[in-house]
Amino acid sequence: EVQLQESGPGLVKPSQSLSLTCSVTGYSITSNYWGWIRKFPGNKMEWMGYISYSGSTSYNPSLKSRISITRDTSKNQFFLQLNSVTTEDTATYYCARSSYGFDYWGQGVMVTVSS
Amino acid sequence: DVVLTQTPVSLLISLGGQASISCRSSQSLVHSNGNTYLHWYLQKPGQSPQLLIYQVSNRFSGIPDRFSGSGSGTDFTLKISRVEPEDLGVYYCLQRTHNPWTFGGGTKLELK
Repeated sequence: EVQLQESGPGLVKPSQSLSLTCSVTGYSITSNYWGWIRKFPGNKMEWMGYISYSGSTSYNPSLKSRISITRDTSKNQFFLQLNSVTTEDTATYYCARSSYGFDYWGQGVMVTVSS
Repeated sequence: DVVLTQTPVSLLISLGGQASISCRSSQSLVHSNGNTYLHWYLQKPGQSPQLLIYQVSNRFSGIPDRFSGSGSGTDFTLKISRVEPEDLGVYYCLQRTHNPWTFGGGTKLELK
Protein backbone atom coordinates (compact mmCIF):
# COMPACT_ATOMS: atom_id res chain seq x y z
CA GLU A 1 0.00 0.00 0.00
CA VAL A 2 1.27 3.45 -0.89
CA GLN A 3 1.78 5.63 2.17
CA LEU A 4 3.12 9.15 2.48
CA GLN A 5 4.16 10.95 5.65
CA GLU A 6 5.10 14.61 5.98
CA SER A 7 7.50 15.83 8.64
CA GLY A 8 9.02 19.13 9.58
CA PRO A 9 8.73 22.05 11.98
CA GLY A 10 5.30 23.34 12.83
CA LEU A 11 6.51 26.87 13.48
CA VAL A 12 8.70 29.01 11.23
CA LYS A 13 9.71 32.63 11.71
CA PRO A 14 8.95 35.22 9.04
CA SER A 15 11.71 35.64 6.42
CA GLN A 16 13.11 32.19 7.21
CA SER A 17 12.82 29.02 5.12
CA LEU A 18 10.21 26.32 5.52
CA SER A 19 11.55 22.81 4.96
CA LEU A 20 9.40 19.70 4.85
CA THR A 21 10.09 16.06 4.10
CA CYS A 22 7.72 13.54 2.55
CA SER A 23 8.63 9.93 3.26
CA VAL A 24 7.07 7.41 0.91
CA THR A 25 6.60 3.70 1.55
CA GLY A 26 5.07 1.02 -0.65
CA TYR A 27 6.01 2.70 -3.92
CA SER A 28 9.15 4.08 -5.52
CA ILE A 29 9.41 7.81 -6.13
CA THR A 30 11.34 6.96 -9.31
CA SER A 31 7.92 6.25 -10.78
CA ASN A 32 5.12 8.73 -11.26
CA TYR A 33 4.94 12.32 -10.04
CA TRP A 34 5.09 13.63 -6.48
CA GLY A 35 3.59 16.90 -5.41
CA TRP A 36 3.10 19.39 -2.65
CA ILE A 37 -0.27 21.01 -1.99
CA ARG A 38 -1.27 23.37 0.78
CA LYS A 39 -4.57 24.30 2.35
CA PHE A 40 -4.92 27.73 3.86
CA PRO A 41 -7.11 28.58 6.85
CA GLY A 42 -10.60 28.46 5.36
CA ASN A 43 -11.00 26.19 2.36
CA LYS A 44 -8.56 27.48 -0.24
CA MET A 45 -6.25 24.82 -1.70
CA GLU A 46 -3.12 25.57 -3.73
CA TRP A 47 -0.96 23.26 -5.83
CA MET A 48 2.66 24.22 -5.14
CA GLY A 49 4.64 21.99 -7.46
CA TYR A 50 5.84 18.51 -8.24
CA ILE A 51 8.93 16.44 -8.90
CA SER A 52 8.75 13.76 -11.53
CA TYR A 53 10.03 10.19 -11.69
CA SER A 54 13.09 11.55 -13.54
CA GLY A 55 13.75 14.38 -11.10
CA SER A 56 12.39 17.17 -13.26
CA THR A 57 10.27 19.74 -11.49
CA SER A 58 7.33 22.02 -12.16
CA TYR A 59 6.30 24.84 -9.88
CA ASN A 60 3.33 27.12 -9.48
CA PRO A 61 4.49 30.41 -11.00
CA SER A 62 3.12 32.26 -7.98
CA LEU A 63 5.87 30.56 -5.93
CA LYS A 64 8.54 30.08 -8.54
CA SER A 65 11.15 32.39 -7.05
CA ARG A 66 10.80 30.90 -3.55
CA ILE A 67 10.17 27.18 -3.99
CA SER A 68 12.40 24.18 -4.49
CA ILE A 69 11.39 20.51 -4.60
CA THR A 70 14.14 17.93 -4.45
CA ARG A 71 14.43 14.25 -3.67
CA ASP A 72 16.60 11.50 -2.22
CA THR A 73 15.82 8.32 -4.12
CA SER A 74 17.98 6.21 -1.78
CA LYS A 75 15.64 7.09 1.08
CA ASN A 76 12.51 7.30 -1.07
CA GLN A 77 11.87 10.81 0.16
CA PHE A 78 11.15 14.13 -1.47
CA PHE A 79 11.45 17.58 0.02
CA LEU A 80 9.89 21.02 -0.05
CA GLN A 81 11.78 24.19 0.62
CA LEU A 82 9.97 27.51 0.62
CA ASN A 83 12.12 30.58 1.18
CA SER A 84 11.36 34.00 2.64
CA VAL A 85 8.11 32.90 4.25
CA THR A 86 5.51 35.33 5.52
CA THR A 87 2.40 34.90 7.63
CA GLU A 88 0.55 34.29 4.34
CA ASP A 89 2.35 30.93 4.10
CA THR A 90 0.60 29.66 7.23
CA ALA A 91 -1.22 26.55 6.02
CA THR A 92 -1.50 22.79 6.24
CA TYR A 93 1.00 21.25 3.84
CA TYR A 94 0.33 17.94 2.11
CA CYS A 95 2.47 15.73 -0.06
CA ALA A 96 0.73 13.50 -2.56
CA ARG A 97 1.34 11.13 -5.45
CA SER A 98 0.10 12.43 -8.76
CA SER A 99 -1.03 9.58 -10.93
CA TYR A 100 -4.74 9.66 -11.68
CA GLY A 101 -4.99 13.06 -10.05
CA PHE A 102 -3.54 13.15 -6.56
CA ASP A 103 -4.48 9.63 -5.57
CA TYR A 104 -2.50 9.12 -2.37
CA TRP A 105 -1.95 11.84 0.24
CA GLY A 106 -0.01 12.26 3.44
CA GLN A 107 -1.87 13.21 6.61
CA GLY A 108 -0.67 16.81 6.34
CA VAL A 109 1.45 19.00 8.58
CA MET A 110 0.27 22.33 9.91
CA VAL A 111 2.87 25.06 9.57
CA THR A 112 2.47 28.41 11.27
CA VAL A 113 4.60 31.38 10.29
CA SER A 114 4.95 33.63 13.28
CA SER A 115 7.62 35.47 15.20
CA ASP B 1 -4.50 30.93 -14.24
CA VAL B 2 -7.59 28.77 -14.78
CA VAL B 3 -10.31 29.69 -12.29
CA LEU B 4 -12.62 26.91 -11.16
CA THR B 5 -15.90 28.16 -9.72
CA GLN B 6 -17.73 25.68 -7.56
CA THR B 7 -21.40 26.04 -6.71
CA PRO B 8 -23.03 25.93 -4.32
CA VAL B 9 -20.60 26.90 -1.57
CA SER B 10 -22.59 24.85 0.90
CA LEU B 11 -25.22 22.16 0.56
CA LEU B 12 -27.73 20.87 3.11
CA ILE B 13 -28.90 17.38 2.20
CA SER B 14 -31.04 14.81 4.00
CA LEU B 15 -29.70 11.31 4.51
CA GLY B 16 -30.62 9.25 1.48
CA GLY B 17 -31.02 12.33 -0.67
CA GLN B 18 -29.12 13.44 -3.78
CA ALA B 19 -26.49 16.17 -4.03
CA SER B 20 -25.19 17.89 -7.12
CA ILE B 21 -22.08 20.08 -7.24
CA SER B 22 -21.05 22.19 -10.20
CA CYS B 23 -17.51 23.11 -11.22
CA ARG B 24 -17.22 25.68 -13.97
CA SER B 25 -13.87 26.52 -15.55
CA SER B 26 -12.74 29.85 -16.96
CA GLN B 27 -11.37 28.00 -20.00
CA SER B 28 -11.69 24.64 -21.66
CA LEU B 29 -10.08 21.78 -19.77
CA VAL B 30 -9.54 19.64 -22.86
CA HIS B 31 -5.82 18.97 -23.12
CA SER B 32 -4.01 18.98 -26.46
CA ASN B 33 -3.79 15.19 -26.12
CA GLY B 34 -7.60 14.98 -26.04
CA ASN B 35 -7.90 14.11 -22.36
CA THR B 36 -9.72 16.26 -19.80
CA TYR B 37 -7.91 16.42 -16.49
CA LEU B 38 -10.71 17.39 -14.13
CA HIS B 39 -10.84 15.52 -10.85
CA TRP B 40 -13.02 15.52 -7.73
CA TYR B 41 -11.96 15.16 -4.11
CA LEU B 42 -13.63 14.90 -0.73
CA GLN B 43 -11.99 16.13 2.43
CA LYS B 44 -13.71 14.68 5.46
CA PRO B 45 -13.30 16.47 8.80
CA GLY B 46 -9.84 15.86 10.25
CA GLN B 47 -8.66 13.88 7.21
CA SER B 48 -6.62 14.43 4.09
CA PRO B 49 -8.42 14.91 0.80
CA GLN B 50 -9.32 11.68 -0.99
CA LEU B 51 -9.69 11.18 -4.72
CA LEU B 52 -13.23 10.33 -5.79
CA ILE B 53 -13.33 10.86 -9.55
CA TYR B 54 -10.49 11.33 -12.04
CA GLN B 55 -10.65 12.63 -15.59
CA VAL B 56 -14.26 13.78 -15.33
CA SER B 57 -16.08 10.50 -14.85
CA ASN B 58 -13.80 7.68 -13.68
CA ARG B 59 -14.34 6.47 -10.14
CA PHE B 60 -11.15 5.87 -8.19
CA SER B 61 -10.53 2.48 -6.59
CA GLY B 62 -12.96 1.74 -3.78
CA ILE B 63 -15.29 4.67 -4.48
CA PRO B 64 -18.94 3.55 -4.45
CA ASP B 65 -21.10 4.00 -7.53
CA ARG B 66 -23.21 6.52 -5.59
CA PHE B 67 -20.60 9.01 -6.81
CA SER B 68 -20.67 9.99 -10.45
CA GLY B 69 -18.96 12.67 -12.48
CA SER B 70 -19.95 14.18 -15.79
CA GLY B 71 -19.34 17.16 -18.02
CA SER B 72 -17.10 18.44 -20.75
CA GLY B 73 -15.20 21.50 -21.86
CA THR B 74 -15.82 24.04 -19.11
CA ASP B 75 -18.79 22.62 -17.19
CA PHE B 76 -18.58 19.66 -14.86
CA THR B 77 -20.83 18.08 -12.25
CA LEU B 78 -20.38 15.71 -9.35
CA LYS B 79 -23.51 13.86 -8.24
CA ILE B 80 -23.86 11.96 -4.99
CA SER B 81 -26.91 9.76 -4.70
CA ARG B 82 -28.30 8.20 -1.51
CA VAL B 83 -26.19 10.47 0.69
CA GLU B 84 -24.71 8.73 3.72
CA PRO B 85 -23.17 10.25 6.89
CA GLU B 86 -19.67 9.33 5.63
CA ASP B 87 -20.16 11.62 2.61
CA LEU B 88 -20.06 14.77 4.72
CA GLY B 89 -17.16 17.16 4.27
CA VAL B 90 -15.78 19.57 1.70
CA TYR B 91 -15.72 18.65 -1.99
CA TYR B 92 -13.16 20.12 -4.38
CA CYS B 93 -12.61 20.00 -8.09
CA LEU B 94 -9.06 20.16 -9.45
CA GLN B 95 -7.84 20.77 -12.99
CA ARG B 96 -4.49 19.47 -14.20
CA THR B 97 -4.86 20.44 -17.85
CA HIS B 98 -3.23 23.84 -17.55
CA ASN B 99 -0.23 24.99 -15.53
CA PRO B 100 -0.62 25.98 -12.76
CA TRP B 101 -2.98 23.24 -11.61
CA THR B 102 -5.83 24.86 -9.74
CA PHE B 103 -8.55 23.88 -7.30
CA GLY B 104 -12.10 25.05 -6.98
CA GLY B 105 -13.07 26.92 -3.85
CA GLY B 106 -14.81 23.96 -2.25
CA THR B 107 -18.40 22.91 -1.47
CA LYS B 108 -19.31 21.93 2.07
CA LEU B 109 -21.86 19.13 2.29
CA GLU B 110 -23.82 19.05 5.55
CA LEU B 111 -26.79 17.10 6.79
CA LYS B 112 -30.16 18.75 6.93
